[in-house]
Amino acid sequence: QKEVEQNSGPLSVPEGAIASLNCTYSDRVSQSFFWYRQYSGKSPELIMSIYSNGDKEDGRFTAQLNKASQYVSLLIRDSQPSDSATYLCAVIRINYDMRFGAGTRLTVKP
Amino acid sequence: EAQVTQNPRYLITVTGKKLTVTCSQNMNHEYMSWYRQDPGLGLRQIYYSMNVEVTDKGDVPEGYKVSRKEKRNFPLILESPSPNQTSLYFCASSFQGASPLHFGNGTRLTVT
Repeated sequence: QKEVEQNSGPLSVPEGAIASLNCTYSDRVSQSFFWYRQYSGKSPELIMSIYSNGDKEDGRFTAQLNKASQYVSLLIRDSQPSDSATYLCAVIRINYDMRFGAGTRLTVKP
Repeated sequence: EAQVTQNPRYLITVTGKKLTVTCSQNMNHEYMSWYRQDPGLGLRQIYYSMNVEVTDKGDVPEGYKVSRKEKRNFPLILESPSPNQTSLYFCASSFQGASPLHFGNGTRLTVT
């Protein structure tokens, strides 16, 4: 089992729809969780961090964490074509190094 | 401007010719790390450093060396590059190990 797994994608949604991205992790003691967005050929940029169970909202983005199920998700409301990118789930393990999922490519169609 | 600076952005070299990719951050971060990114495999950690003179192996350290003599710099050294090290490399830093990472712009390396 991979340490961090994401939907293989690609995921395609129409403009204005909700995009739902999912991630599971294997290390039960992980405490810090992040979502990064990466445009093609560019470096990853942090869009959300979440540390405790529940929902965290920032503008059109909502991160959800369920530690019991070892599951973290990202919802993008009112999706825009500019949201088209690869989204990386990242988890910090007990020894403080960050592990990434392989990423889910999202396409928002006008 | 707070940033992580990698150089060069693009590098084409031949098998066996030693090379160094530099990484510098101006945020006084303690933690620095190197990743390589390959299609379908995502970001894989090569080496990381929790502080000056403290480095440790990540998932794919074979064929790479690092050093952390100063807090701001964390160069990646390929003593004898091989074609399977052709990849996109990212340096990243954070305030401490449990904090979000800030990435450099990446170095696209091609080894022929």
